[in-house]
Amino acid sequence: QKEVEQDPGPLSVPEGAIVSLNCTYSNSAFQYFMWYRQYSRKGPELLMYTYSSGNKEDGRFTAQVDKSSKYISLFIRDSQPSDSATYLCAMSARDDKIIFGKGTRLHILP
Amino acid sequence: SAVISQKPSRDICQRGTSLTIQCQVDSQVTMMFWYRQQPGQSLTLIATANQGSEATYESGFVIDKFPISRPNLTFSTLTVSNMSPEDSSIYLCSAPPLAGATDTQYFGPGTRLTVL
Repeated sequence: QKEVEQDPGPLSVPEGAIVSLNCTYSNSAFQYFMWYRQYSRKGPELLMYTYSSGNKEDGRFTAQVDKSSKYISLFIRDSQPSDSATYLCAMSARDDKIIFGKGTRLHILP
Repeated sequence: SAVISQKPSRDICQRGTSLTIQCQVDSQVTMMFWYRQQPGQSLTLIATANQGSEATYESGFVIDKFPISRPNLTFSTLTVSNMSPEDSSIYLCSAPPLAGATDTQYFGPGTRLTVL
């Protein structure tokens, strides 16, 4: 089993819909959880950062971490065509390297 | 947050040659990281570059193939040596937002390398 699993998509949703992206992981030592957005031909951009379990909201984005299920989610409300990108989950244990998912390609259809 | 720039943004190289990629951070950071991103794959850490010491390489990556320099707290280079088509990839450098922070990273725009 890979340390981090992420469905590569592509995921296509109509503009205005709520988008749900998620990752599962196997390492119970992970404490830091991140979501990156990567536009085509650009470097990954940090979107959300969460420590341990719980929810974090930033504008239209909400990150959820469920450590008991080893499952993290990113929700995008009122999705826009500009949200079309690849979304990578990432996580790490304390003082350890960051492990990335393969990324989910998201298309928001106007 | 750190602003990170990379040069070149892309290059097309011949088999057997070497390419040096530069990474500049707008603030002083203790650690810088080099990643490879192949199509359809997750980001793979190549090595961690600490200023004043030799880089630490991940399993599967060796110094002879990917020599790294870290001459000061804002700059690093990665050389891809004796290139083959399998080295075609995007190479990214990253750094934590604060000196000493280890729990997240910001990325440069990447260098897209094609080896013929």
